[in-house]
Amino acid sequence: DGGITQSPKYLFRKEGQNVTLSCEQNLNHDAMYWYRQDPGQGLRLIYYSQIVNDFQKGDIAEGYSVSREKKESFPLTVTSAQKNPTAFYLCASTPAGSYNSPLHFGNGTRLTVT
Amino acid sequence: GENVEQHPSTLSVQEGDSAVIKCTYSDSASNYFPWYKQELGKRPQLIIDIRSNVGEKKDQRIAVTLNKTAKHFSLHITETQPEDSAVYFCAASRIPTFGRGTSLIVHP
Repeated sequence: DGGITQSPKYLFRKEGQNVTLSCEQNLNHDAMYWYRQDPGQGLRLIYYSQIVNDFQKGDIAEGYSVSREKKESFPLTVTSAQKNPTAFYLCASTPAGSYNSPLHFGNGTRLTVT
Repeated sequence: GENVEQHPSTLSVQEGDSAVIKCTYSDSASNYFPWYKQELGKRPQLIIDIRSNVGEKKDQRIAVTLNKTAKHFSLHITETQPEDSAVYFCAASRIPTFGRGTSLIVHP
């Protein structure tokens, strides 16, 4: 059954700690995305990757980092430099080179930093 | 980059009424316009989309219209039902940019 898996579903961290959110897909999609969702803000793009070993900053990349060493995996690290990291994080993917296809989303990770 | 504006932010209707949500975009190169529905605590799911070579698309009670000249597109839901209650997002551009969402509440 193809899809995107995000883990964990809930994540709690202390302020000042880095944390990595996992995103794995078995859809054979080349492009992967990370969005952040806050109440009333919609989905804002953090980073995206259209091919292995390459990624681009989105609108709100500051305080985040990513890697794309494998086609199936696109982990997101929330660093201590991110001022307001508490949010709902969504990973998504689309087929290669396709700007006319819908996003396939994972179930999200809700991160709480105290 | 692309800028997507979505209105209204909240829409309250009675069951059976119609609901209309509107979005405008800034990048004239955008050519794909999806709409997603997100229920509380869940991931967004595609409900309908439209490409720039089409002016209107329907799927049962849901329709989307696109005006490329004016750079706006709209979601129309007819005969609303309580299960339509959710947050709806529009998106545009080659790297998907989202509107802020519309919380639709359908009262039985």
